[in-house]
Order: sequence, then C-alpha cells, then structure tokens
Amino acid sequence: EPEVTQTPSHQVTQMGQEVILRCVPISNHLYFYWYRQILGQKVEFLVSFYNNEISEKSEIFDDQFSVERPDGSNFTLKIRSTKLEDSAMYFCASRTDTQYFGPGTRLTVL
Amino acid sequence: KNQVEQSPQSLIILEGKNCTLQCNYTVSPFSNLRWYKQDTGRGPVSLTIMTFSENTKSNGRYTATLDADTKQSSLHITASQLSDSASYICVVSRNSNDYKLSFGAGTTVTVRA
Repeated sequence: EPEVTQTPSHQVTQMGQEVILRCVPISNHLYFYWYRQILGQKVEFLVSFYNNEISEKSEIFDDQFSVERPDGSNFTLKIRSTKLEDSAMYFCASRTDTQYFGPGTRLTVL
Repeated sequence: KNQVEQSPQSLIILEGKNCTLQCNYTVSPFSNLRWYKQDTGRGPVSLTIMTFSENTKSNGRYTATLDADTKQSSLHITASQLSDSASYICVVSRNSNDYKLSFGAGTTVTVRA
C-alpha cells in the first residue's frame, strides 16, 4: 500500500539554525499539507499546497516557514531560524480525497 | 470559533470490552468528519470518514456515528484488543476541498490484559 514518507525521523538542532524537513507524498496525490503537534497537544494545521503554490496557511506559518516542491516527488518544510517553541512533531500529509499522514519528524530545538 | 471537543480525555478498559468515545464540534460549515487513530510517535491513520448525509460507518471493530443536527459523533470500539491502545482523534473538515482540518485533542485509550 502506498504511503507518505518523511525524513529524518528525528532532527536535533540549535536555536537559530535552519532546518529542512522532507516528505515524499503518495505519487498520484496533488494536495499536500504540513501539520505540527507539540508534545501533549492537538495536531495543528500549518499550510496546504496545491499546483505549486500555497493554498492556505495558518497564523503559525509565519515568515520563518516556507514550503517547496523542488522536484516531482519531494515536498519540504523549511524553518529559517528555529526557536525553542518550534520543538514538535511535524507531519506531512497528501491526498486525493482522504488525507494520508506520514510518520512524522520529531524536531528538537536546543 | 471552529472547535472540536472530545471526551473523555483518556480511558482504560480491559481487553475484550467495548468503549465509546465522544466528539462534539462547532465547525461550520461542515463537510465531513473523520476519526483517526494515532499510535504514540506516529502519524494519524484514518479509520472512518462521514459526510453530512451519513449517520453511521464501520471499519472492522470500529463504528462511528454522526448526528449532524446536534453536531455530535461517537466512535465505538468493540471487543477491544491490546493493539487498540492509542489516541483517537476526531477531525472535522469545513469544505470538500479539505484545505484545513480542525482537530480534536484526542482520547487516549489504554487497553489492559
């Protein structure tokens, strides 16, 4: 069964550093999403992406965040200058009708 | 404000027993409601999805109900197994384009032998 994959599974970085989280959506999906889940809290929507542009973004998705689909398979989330409060699980999802979530990347900012 | 509230926050049941989880939402407009299962440290996995016109849907031992008039949903787990231990998340979509989902905080279910 096709699945969404994410790398790395765990990323540790120093505050102020840039990180890039990578996702490979399911191949025939056209809609892509990033979510985050701070430990012990609910999943929060960050951004949706369709046709090579952002469809919608939340108030969390500020200028420090960006997304890109650099080729036909990858979908990336970049955080330019990480803050302590960016520590969370980041989930990528893709869909035709139902969203399929990846396993997540645990980001730890020290 | 678009809210999804779940109860209880957590519950413990014995293997083989049934349980029911509740979800109330104020999301409007409403397109569909999903229940996801999230194992610890993993991404959510879809169990059921229901539109406005559907009031029940099953997936194996999982049965979801929806009352769109009262904006309530439930997820019933029958004959629980140890592998059912997880967080169960109620998610509501406001439009068919599914641009943004509203997530509940989840109910943590622990099944004990």
